[in-house]
Amino acid sequence: DAMVIQNPRYQVTQFGKPVTLSCSQTLNHNVMYWYQQKSSQAPKLLFHYYDKDFNNEADTPDNFQSRRPNTSFCFLDIRSPGLGDAAMYLCATSRAKGSLTDTQYFGPGTRLTVL
Amino acid sequence: RKEVEQDPGPFNVPEGATVAFNCTYSNSASQSFFWYRQDCRKEPKLLMSVYSSGNEDGRFTAQLNRASQYISLLIRDSKLSDSATYLCVVNTKNYGGSQGNLIFGKGTKLSVKP
Repeated sequence: DAMVIQNPRYQVTQFGKPVTLSCSQTLNHNVMYWYQQKSSQAPKLLFHYYDKDFNNEADTPDNFQSRRPNTSFCFLDIRSPGLGDAAMYLCATSRAKGSLTDTQYFGPGTRLTVL
Repeated sequence: RKEVEQDPGPFNVPEGATVAFNCTYSNSASQSFFWYRQDCRKEPKLLMSVYSSGNEDGRFTAQLNRASQYISLLIRDSKLSDSATYLCVVNTKNYGGSQGNLIFGKGTKLSVKP
């Protein structure tokens, strides 16, 4: 049973054309995260929501925005994708942020290609 | 020192071999640690959690050395299906501290050959 679902799995967009990636979860977890992972690199945290509280990482470009309309869904909006934004985008959830025993559950990712 | 550092490998080992990966972390106050496995072009999946000195699950053993600030992962009797990238992950939260985040290493690539 899928617990963290990401759509689409593959997304192709044009340089500068806005794109939205979607994540949903059936775990009823409080926290949802968005990571960017480029080839042979560690996942890089972009931002996360703790319930409705949005937390942006200091080095996340303004080009990346997020919305969480309810507990189950979270969206990543890339306003003007550049070639450097081509990557795998991973959504993850956890029950509580920063708990010592907390683990994150990842969705299958959306691979973004920018032409 | 980088927050979480791993040998990128690749480690190429024959089936049945024992292989060990090390990971060092910079935040001495960190209290919880994880090993995730990531297959090519797939998402990371939790392999093991390490909260005290170590953890064992079948062929996999994780050990924590707080004094030296490193975590290790030992895989015994390697299988072809163990081929993947192993990510070392550190929770930056410490006891009584503010809420932390997970910091990922770049991963160590393992290739098990027949």
